[in-house]
Formats: sequence, C-alpha cells, structure tokens
Amino acid sequence: GQQVMQIPQYQHVQEGEDFTTYCNSSTTLSNIQWYKQRPGGHPVFLIQLVKSGEVKKQKRLTFQFGEAKKNSSLHITATQTTDVGTYFCAGQRGFNKFYFGSGTKLNVKP
Amino acid sequence: DAGVTQSPTHLIKTRGQQVTLRCSPKSGHDTVSWYQQALGQGPQFIFQYYEEEERQRGNFPDRFSGHQFPNYSSELNVNALLLGDSALYLCASSPDLYNEQFFGPGTRLTVL
Repeated sequence: GQQVMQIPQYQHVQEGEDFTTYCNSSTTLSNIQWYKQRPGGHPVFLIQLVKSGEVKKQKRLTFQFGEAKKNSSLHITATQTTDVGTYFCAGQRGFNKFYFGSGTKLNVKP
Repeated sequence: DAGVTQSPTHLIKTRGQQVTLRCSPKSGHDTVSWYQQALGQGPQFIFQYYEEEERQRGNFPDRFSGHQFPNYSSELNVNALLLGDSALYLCASSPDLYNEQFFGPGTRLTVL
C-alpha cells in the first residue's frame, strides 16, 4: 500500500495567497525530500530534511519535518504564477527506496 | 555537464511487445533509480542500481528488469507489455543512496 500520503490533491489560489501541502508517513522516516514538477516536465529537487523538527527556508518556501519524523509540510508565502506545478514529497527509511506522495497540484491565478 | 539523459523521448508499442529504455546518469553519479509515473500520480519506485547490481526493488513484476553498465548508464526492460504499462518512465541518478536525486526528462511509453 501507499507509504506516504499527501494532501490536498489540488489547490487553486489567487496570486499573492499562501499555499501549504502536507505529507504524512505511516512509519518513521530517516529523511524526506521535496520535489517540484512543472507541467510536462520532470521532478526537480527542492530540499532534503533529515533532523527531527527541522525547518528550512528557501526564499518564499518554508519546509518543516515533524518531531516524530512522520510528517512534513511545504508552505509557500505570497504565491506567484511561477510557482505553478505539482509538489511531491518523497520519504525514505534508512537507505531504502524513496516513497513518493501522490503530489499536490498548485494552480495560481494571476 | 548534460545532466541525466534518457532515450527515447517517446515510444509507442503494442501489447505483448518488449521495450528497452536507456538512461545516462549525471557525471559523477553511480546510483541510478527507475520510476514509473502514471498520469496524475507520483513516481513509483521500480528498482535501483548501484555498482552494476540491483540494490532495491519496488512492487513491480519480473517483467520489469534492468541493467547497469560499468560506465553507470542503465537500461530498463519491460517484457510482455500491458496496456497498464503506459506511463512516463523516469530515471534518476544520485551520488549515493540517500541524497538528492536528479531526474531525467523521462520516456513517455504508450502501449496500444
């Protein structure tokens, strides 16, 4: 069964509004990665979180890893049309395979 | 550095046929993973190669097989194609087993 759940499936926002996607694992993860996939493109690595409770920022993007290392979130402040795409989380246990979430498709209206 | 390259870009096959997809990893990367991405879904892990050996395998039937060559390039073979095998096949390379993965542009396989 699916190891990593991601919500919401879709999010439509007005430009300037904030956006958050959530990722939950049924088991403790050793690390979690976030990727962005533009329409017609391939996943592009954004960031990796390793430590419990870790928070990392990239300009308008804030990534969090839960204390129990079972959940994570990606928050975008003041969305722009360039943020359009599908955001995936990918969790790993030990050095094993990565389990990708089903993704959150973000649409930003100008 | 050309990044991860994959060939062909698109492929159309009929049920029962066999297909071979190819991947060249990013320079300096020795780990190659293959993923299947159905429309509207996240990438599903097929298998991973490191040092020319299959290190890990996802929940895919034996019809899916692969190979890694001494130069770290890799092939994905799928036998007895089914309609449900239609998907984007992504190759990802990484410098080790747990760091960021660099994805190629993918091969769009259509099975008729």
